Amino acid sequence: AQSVSQHNHHVILSEAASLELGCNYSYGGTVNLFWYVQYPGQHLQLLLKYFSGDPLVKGIKGFEAEFIKSKFSFNLRKPSVQWSDTAEYFCAVKEGSQGNLIFGKGTKLSVKP
Amino acid sequence: EAGVVQSPRYKIIEKKQPVAFWCNPISGHNTLYWYLQNLGQGPELLIRYENEEAVDDSQLPKDRFSAERLKGVDSTLKIQPAELGDSAVYLCASSLGGLGETQYFGPGTRLLVL
Repeated sequence: AQSVSQHNHHVILSEAASLELGCNYSYGGTVNLFWYVQYPGQHLQLLLKYFSGDPLVKGIKGFEAEFIKSKFSFNLRKPSVQWSDTAEYFCAVKEGSQGNLIFGKGTKLSVKP
Repeated sequence: EAGVVQSPRYKIIEKKQPVAFWCNPISGHNTLYWYLQNLGQGPELLIRYENEEAVDDSQLPKDRFSAERLKGVDSTLKIQPAELGDSAVYLCASSLGGLGETQYFGPGTRLLVL
């Protein structure tokens, strides 16, 4: 069965530090890839997504992610985090075009002002 | 544009009692999803509807869980009877449908079973 691994459970950074959150998946075929974010007290929101084309995807709020097919990875990056980026980040993978969305366990990001 | 609406936001019940959650998807979204999110975990799909048809309910514990989406718009998820282990957040999401569509999530219902 498809699985999604997020390597870090909790990441603590100071403002202006660079961020990289890891995400690996197990499915070997065509995938659609997503990063969702959940700010404190709010619902899950889409940060960015990859369907096809340029493997470097830009999302909202300065986030980007790179799809590396050979590594089954879709890591999330931001060059300089802000206190307002404090949230929980979920990687999700969809098998092919009709599969269900499989989520990782999430990574909690705490940014110190 | 209004987002996905869920109610109630919080529910506390005693074990063996029934409970129901309601979801109103984004207008025009044909596909509706119910997810279960346990503490420290990502959401896990319970059931997916395409219009009024449940196209994937393989992860729904059918002995105690049921769902319906009459008229292909609103949906209700029910648990009867609830067990202690059902304490979790129940999320509803919707999407337009079609290839690679994005799912939009509601705020969830946080259930506590005592």
